[in-house]
Amino acid sequence: SAVISQKPSRDICQRGTSLTIQCQVDSQVTMMFWYRQQPGQSLTLIATANQGSEATYESGFVIDKFPISRPNLTFSTLTVSNMSPEDSSIYLCSVVSSGRKDEQFFGPGTRLTVL
Amino acid sequence: QKEVEQNSGPLSVPEGAIASLNCTYSDRVSQSFFWYRQYSGKSPELIMSIYSNGDKEDGRFTAQLNKASQYVSLLIRDSQPSDSATYLCAVGGGNMLTFGGGTRLMVKP
Repeated sequence: SAVISQKPSRDICQRGTSLTIQCQVDSQVTMMFWYRQQPGQSLTLIATANQGSEATYESGFVIDKFPISRPNLTFSTLTVSNMSPEDSSIYLCSVVSSGRKDEQFFGPGTRLTVL
Repeated sequence: QKEVEQNSGPLSVPEGAIASLNCTYSDRVSQSFFWYRQYSGKSPELIMSIYSNGDKEDGRFTAQLNKASQYVSLLIRDSQPSDSATYLCAVGGGNMLTFGGGTRLMVKP
């Protein structure tokens, strides 16, 4: 399976600031997704990162708060904008590789704490 | 609204026993089914995928799918303390996955 890295692995940020999280894959993938996992909770899909076009957001998530880019088939960024303590969470990217029907593989995650 | 339900646990089993984890889903047209293992502080790891009715075995793991009853299960044979983790059931269709809340498994030595 693809090797996925995320930067940063963790960060502590001040209220009102923004953080950009990077997701890098070592091979071309067909699909990339961004999830949030709040403490003690399961995974919630934020959006599908579309290569060369605007991301597709799930209900409850908007582009102004979570802008996403995917300039090519191996890289995506998620920005958490104007952060509040409620944004403290683990943010995960996942990928689907060609020929791997719906199988999503996750990056190591970014642990965000907002003070 | 697609829903995936799991008992949150914890499910406690002695070492060497069979652990049985269950999951039900609401969307009848779901096509793909997955089990992920998540250790504390780590990201989910895909351990099993199943697409058709019946059983699929991989080492100590067996996934079982019954589309008519809309449930999928995971059996772990000869459970080890290293199997202690949260197990997430995920149901897919059209490249999207819906995750259950997870079942915490504790294997006691």
